Amino acid sequence: KAGVTQTPRYLIKTRGQQVTLSCSPISGHRSVSWYQQTPGQGLQFLFEYFSETQRNKGNFPGRFSGRQFSNSRSEMNVSTLELGDSALYLCASSLGGQATEAFFGQGTRLTVV
Amino acid sequence: SQQGEEDPQALSIQEGENATMNCSYKTSINNLQWYRQNSGRGLVHLILIRSNEREKHSGRLRVTLDTSKKSSSLLITASRAADTASYFCATKSNQFYFGTGTSLTVIP
Repeated sequence: KAGVTQTPRYLIKTRGQQVTLSCSPISGHRSVSWYQQTPGQGLQFLFEYFSETQRNKGNFPGRFSGRQFSNSRSEMNVSTLELGDSALYLCASSLGGQATEAFFGQGTRLTVV
Repeated sequence: SQQGEEDPQALSIQEGENATMNCSYKTSINNLQWYRQNSGRGLVHLILIRSNEREKHSGRLRVTLDTSKKSSSLLITASRAADTASYFCATKSNQFYFGTGTSLTVIP
């Protein structure tokens, strides 16, 4: 069974630009969550999508948005990039129930210059 | 914040020794999970313990859970250099909340 795939693995963008990251979950998983990981803040929850609907949202500004398609693939978009958005962005898929583990992708390393 | 806190933040031990890391959390839980992250990579699920369980084993891993104290511990026995990584506890209510992580270094 293929794992969670995130593309691209590395990305360099300039301040003010926008970026779209992609996540393909494990087949059959309907829940996709996104996290931002920085050395100072640890793993911060961005949002979760389940069956194309945003189910939960973390405490991030509106510049961060996402969506999920009917095949459960998810995209995350960040507009008007700031230097502080430089981070490892991790996507996790799960079946969506309470007692289920999350399977993580390798992440997208975003650097904003 | 509902995030957990791991203790210690960093731990350095010799190969063959046991490593113990602790996690405290703030809310009632259905289960608690431990994950491992190698530098700059995604997290890998290690073990899940349900709220009605007190102890669970998986290979060289032993996890305990004390819901009255809202705490959990992860013990790695007979550590190896390959165990060098960051370890996170995670709780789930309507979303996953990850702790701050313990950075473990196992010296060969």
